[in-house]
Amino acid sequence: EVKLVESGGTLVHSGRSLRVSCVASGFTFKDYTMFWVRQRPGEGLEWVSSVSWNGDNTVYVDSVKGRFTASRDNARNTLYLQMNNLRLDDTALYYCVKARGSGGASQHTFDDWGLGTLLTVSS
Amino acid sequence: QSALTQPASVSGPPGQSITISCTGTSRDVGIYNLVSWYQQHPAGAPKLIIFEDNRRPSGISSRFSGSKFGNTASLTISGLQPEDEADYYCCSYAGSSTYVFGSGTKVTVL
Repeated sequence: EVKLVESGGTLVHSGRSLRVSCVASGFTFKDYTMFWVRQRPGEGLEWVSSVSWNGDNTVYVDSVKGRFTASRDNARNTLYLQMNNLRLDDTALYYCVKARGSGGASQHTFDDWGLGTLLTVSS
Repeated sequence: QSALTQPASVSGPPGQSITISCTGTSRDVGIYNLVSWYQQHPAGAPKLIIFEDNRRPSGISSRFSGSKFGNTASLTISGLQPEDEADYYCCSYAGSSTYVFGSGTKVTVL
């Protein structure tokens, strides 16, 4: 059974930094592209970042470019999201998501989701 | 990276069929066969129900079906059930490992 457990979300002041993590189990982590997707309170889903299987290719939504860095440690089956210079509109539930497959079209579908970790940015 | 357009809400009585539209552009929905749909119940995580425009993951009811014409994808729920009441989001690949979600549709079973 695939399991994704996010942690690290908390209340921080704007301008500060925070790293959230996602520990994966139940599948061969190193084979899959992973994603971060966020959901602001009462709002819809927003793709934040994609991380290739080996971490060499990371892509971000425009609003976080230059502030967020996604990475992974395949030896620890863990995905990370380092968030710097946090803004009020970064307040959201951050989901860790596994791609449906490890290649071709299947790597472009968000398959398994964690329960999320909540980041609240205050002024 | 503008959100795909979905109706804010759709409703119907039990047993009826409803369709949710998802309109994008020729840079996302219209060019890639990579539209997926997600169901999210209150306080729950999203769940994949359709991928690659019209494919259903194992375990998902055949009452859910996906289609696409041009820049608009659609999700049809046939034989609406009370448990189908949830928020539904479409998502499309937009090239270069980027993705765009729809604005979300609240489905109410009357």
